[in-house]
Amino acid sequence: LAKTTQPISMDSYEGQEVNITCSHNNIATNDYITWYQQFPSQGPRFIIQGYKTKVTNEVASLFIPADRKSSTLSLPRVSLSDTAVYYCLVLGGYQKVTFGIGTKLQVIP
Amino acid sequence: KAGVTQTPRYLIKTRGQQVTLSCSPISGHRSVSWYQQTPGQGLQFLFEYFSETQRNKGNFPGRFSGRQFSNSRSEMNVSTLELGDSALYLCASSLGLAGLLETQYFGPGTRLLVL
Repeated sequence: LAKTTQPISMDSYEGQEVNITCSHNNIATNDYITWYQQFPSQGPRFIIQGYKTKVTNEVASLFIPADRKSSTLSLPRVSLSDTAVYYCLVLGGYQKVTFGIGTKLQVIP
Repeated sequence: KAGVTQTPRYLIKTRGQQVTLSCSPISGHRSVSWYQQTPGQGLQFLFEYFSETQRNKGNFPGRFSGRQFSNSRSEMNVSTLELGDSALYLCASSLGLAGLLETQYFGPGTRLLVL
């Protein structure tokens, strides 16, 4: 099971682009990188998943370099409602999974 | 489509007691996973059930157990409660075809306080 490391907290002003980087040095060949978002008093919510290069959906982009030892979640033009905890996971099918502490993003007006 | 529901939402128990939490997955989902969330440890995986069988298990003591019924609803039981079991217990459901690799849909959680 690949261990992930991400910053504990980040602050950003409204309207800015936010990049949260996750390190996963021992990622396996078949592992995927997945990000979840959690608001207070709610369960986590899936944001995006990728294997390599770049993945984009309506809420975020995920950048994965060729060596796949890290990944960056990019949130364009954040708003106050993006204040949440963001979890990076590396998943390989039926493996056990730990979300860890995540990155607490605080968006400032 | 209705989301994942969990009951009860809040629970207060005393040390030594046992507790049963319930989770109803999204219709059509056959996998149910349970997680414990605490401020210090973050979100930790307890176990996953698929088609009434435990398919995956985290590193929790045997006091934590679960089961899944034929309609995919799942229950989690914690026996001999300890103060450290105070946490938010979340369940998540998915189709179950690709294990935990699939998108997990989380419920609102049950907040358990052990006194």
